[in-house]
Amino acid sequence: AQKITQTQPGMFVQEKEAVTLDCTYDTSDPSYGLFWYKQPSSGEMIFLIYQGSYDQQNATEGRYSLNFQKARKSANLVISASQLGDSAMYFCAMREGRGNTPLVFGKGTRLSVIA
Amino acid sequence: DTGVSQDPRHKITKRGQNVTFRCDPISEHNRLYWYRQTLGQGPEFLTYFQNEAQLEKSRLLSDRFSAERPKGSFSTLEIQRTEQGDSAMYLCASSRPWGPGSYEQYFGPGTRLTVT
Repeated sequence: AQKITQTQPGMFVQEKEAVTLDCTYDTSDPSYGLFWYKQPSSGEMIFLIYQGSYDQQNATEGRYSLNFQKARKSANLVISASQLGDSAMYFCAMREGRGNTPLVFGKGTRLSVIA
Repeated sequence: DTGVSQDPRHKITKRGQNVTFRCDPISEHNRLYWYRQTLGQGPEFLTYFQNEAQLEKSRLLSDRFSAERPKGSFSTLEIQRTEQGDSAMYLCASSRPWGPGSYEQYFGPGTRLTVT
């Protein structure tokens, strides 16, 4: 079974609007972490935001917030006030267990911001 | 903090040749990871190290692949007898020792391998 599922291959959003990128995960480990990375066309993976399984509050980093719904096993990324530079691939990822264990990535969502 | 570096950035090789990639992690990071990313997919884990010890290898890592981190600093990934299916972006990442605020894996720019 897929551990990380991103069901939106592509998304379009108008500049200055908010957009939500979906991510669901599957794990039986009570300790895990969820990540979102951005990959522009240049290929580098840019860390955006992290949510630990025991964190009580949803993570926020500037225009990025993570809508963490533990019971539903979802970790959606919300980007507010989209900018043209936000156009990129976005990957949801998970590590299981304690410590900096390897990440399991979803297939990604390509976001296109329209002027 | 100079970031994770990888060399070369691009490699074109003929099927059957051997290739070696290098990754230099951020200096104080003790964990180093190798991932492979094919077109249209997310990165897939290959192997990782804590200092010089190789902690885990994915079943994706066939016996043609070998990775080393001899002094716990830089790492090399070698592919022997390359096949066209090895064409991919090879990504290296590093992370700090586990602790508060140390969860992030920092990625390098990747080495794009094309096997002809």
